[in-house]
Amino acid sequence: AQSVTQLDSQVPVFEEAPVELRCNYSSSVSVYLFWYVQYPNQGLQLLLKYLSGSTLVKGINGFEAEFNKSQTSFHLRKPSVHISDTAEYFCAVSDGNDYKLSFGAGTTVTVRA
Amino acid sequence: ETGVTQSPTHLIKTRGQQVTLRCSSQSGHNTVSWYQQALGQGPQFIFQYYREEENGRGNFPPRFSGLQFPNYSSELNVNALELDDSALYLCASSFSPSSTDTQYFGPGTRLTVL
Repeated sequence: AQSVTQLDSQVPVFEEAPVELRCNYSSSVSVYLFWYVQYPNQGLQLLLKYLSGSTLVKGINGFEAEFNKSQTSFHLRKPSVHISDTAEYFCAVSDGNDYKLSFGAGTTVTVRA
Repeated sequence: ETGVTQSPTHLIKTRGQQVTLRCSSQSGHNTVSWYQQALGQGPQFIFQYYREEENGRGNFPPRFSGLQFPNYSSELNVNALELDDSALYLCASSFSPSSTDTQYFGPGTRLTVL
């Protein structure tokens, strides 16, 4: 079974500053990687996903992530955050043999003016 | 296009009781997955239903059971509730059970067990 480690539980950041959220996963032959965002009192919304091809993936709301197979990482970045980016962010992984998503513990991003 | 909906929004039960949570999948989706999200943690996979059959199960006891109906809506039933069952229960639907298909989540049902 896949496991996911999100290296930062909380990330405070000032508005218009860049942010990077780190995610590492256990190795597998082939993996599919996802980042979801959860706003307060809401369900999860997909930001972006990596299935194959280019290792740099662009998502919604200006987010992007880079798949690094050798380091088994899938870090999420945004060059300039807004107050509205305050939320919980989850990295998730599935593989070709397992339809379920395995989630990390989440990273809370708090954007301050 | 209607997204994934769940009912009820909140629920309070006492230990030992039984509860049923409901989920309507997104139009065109035949697969529903259920997750439990305890406070401060990531979602944990409970089980998945595909075309009315259980298609896989996570590490949850048999008192967690489910159903999927011909219209692909789904129910999660939990018997003999325990305090540790207090959590946000998320339903997600997808076009198929393929691991490459995006799972679309509902807003969740917050269950509190006293």
